[in-house]
Amino acid sequence: GESVGLHLPTLSVQEGDNSIINCAYSNSASDYFIWYKQESGKGPQFIIDIRSNMDKRQGQRVTVLLNKTVKHLSLQIAATQPGDSAVYFCAENVNAGGTSYGKLTFGQGTILTVHP
Amino acid sequence: EPEVTQTPSHQVTQMGQEVILRCVPISNHLYFYWYRQILGQKVEFLVSFYNNEISEKSEIFDDQFSVERPDGSNFTLKIRSTKLEDSAMYFCASSEWGVAFFGQGTRLTVV
Repeated sequence: GESVGLHLPTLSVQEGDNSIINCAYSNSASDYFIWYKQESGKGPQFIIDIRSNMDKRQGQRVTVLLNKTVKHLSLQIAATQPGDSAVYFCAENVNAGGTSYGKLTFGQGTILTVHP
Repeated sequence: EPEVTQTPSHQVTQMGQEVILRCVPISNHLYFYWYRQILGQKVEFLVSFYNNEISEKSEIFDDQFSVERPDGSNFTLKIRSTKLEDSAMYFCASSEWGVAFFGQGTRLTVV
């Protein structure tokens, strides 16, 4: 039969550990990046964003790093909690004249499982 | 906190039937979008809408799809003649300028 879906990368950590989720993006013209968290049966939830003129941005317990040279994005979650368990997607956007804001190309996602 | 709301949460329809998925974007947002997610796969862009017209659409958004903003608050996605492969989660999103905020989705099941 047909495969149901993608085989997502997984990351399992213990509660309290730091987590690092990686993403390789595809379009060198992308200038805006967002990390989303998706819990089962719910829509993507905004975590943090970064523009291409920055290489690091920090939020509450989260840090996003951007390496444009190798087209790589990472999300670091400090002191990971069981409530952080979800699928994490990176998304990229090319702002072509201001009308394409929100036209996001999503990565395949990473399943984060946090064990108590 | 303002949020994007979608109705219904789950819609079951017979193949060939028309469905309308409804969304109420965040009130001061100017850009509206539909995305879909087939079970177990990544989220895919369908269409963006700005200033009462489609600003961009993907290859998925063919002639069977249409969007409308019938009044000042609702944003709808119509699928004219549903196919089995249209079964997916459909997410509405809106943005003021940058970050797109997503609704909880409508699960469409075509039987």
